[in-house]
Amino acid sequence: TQLLEQSPQFLSIQEGENLTVYCNSSSVFSSLQWYRQEPGEGPVLLVTVVTGGEVKKLKRLTFQFGDARKDSSLHITAAQPGDTGLYLCAGASSNDYKLSFGAGTTVTVRA
Amino acid sequence: KAGVTQTPRYLIKTRGQQVTLSCSPISGHRSVSWYQQTPGQGLQFLFEYFSETQRNKGNFPGRFSGRQFSNSRSEMNVSTLELGDSALYLCASRRTSGGGTQYFGPGTRLLVL
Repeated sequence: TQLLEQSPQFLSIQEGENLTVYCNSSSVFSSLQWYRQEPGEGPVLLVTVVTGGEVKKLKRLTFQFGDARKDSSLHITAAQPGDTGLYLCAGASSNDYKLSFGAGTTVTVRA
Repeated sequence: KAGVTQTPRYLIKTRGQQVTLSCSPISGHRSVSWYQQTPGQGLQFLFEYFSETQRNKGNFPGRFSGRQFSNSRSEMNVSTLELGDSALYLCASRRTSGGGTQYFGPGTRLLVL
């Protein structure tokens, strides 16, 4: 059982559309990270959120951390084919800082 | 600054054999963590080393072991390989063990036949 539940599992959209990926848990995390992974490569860190209610923007990507620090969302505006990849959320606990990963959301943006 | 490097990138072994994977962290990073990634289970934490000591351990059998050297480079070993050990093994480094951003290497793809 995953500590972090991501939804949806797969997402296929047309270039220019918007998308949102969700990451939910019953546990509280000291911080939450979002990664993007391309086939055959390791995950690349996109953002770290640490404060409940925090919103971070990275160009067309908007990341939100829930008030209770149990959930997060990633919103992509006007998606491009270069946004295609596996998006992973990962939560860090405050005692051992071990990262627990969600199963990931595979995003495909069609040109 | 060079990123995390892992060797080899690809490996094919047969059941019963053992394998050793290597990870060189980013310069100045003293913590190295290892993860196993499979389509069915996703990314799962194996263990973390800091200053040559294992700090955290995931729920994997004793066949999975690791070590860290004084230069922070790390190796992980899997003995008596099983078909289910086929996976992408990722290592990640960070400055310290107590929090901070982890940076991942490209992984070693292990196929057990």
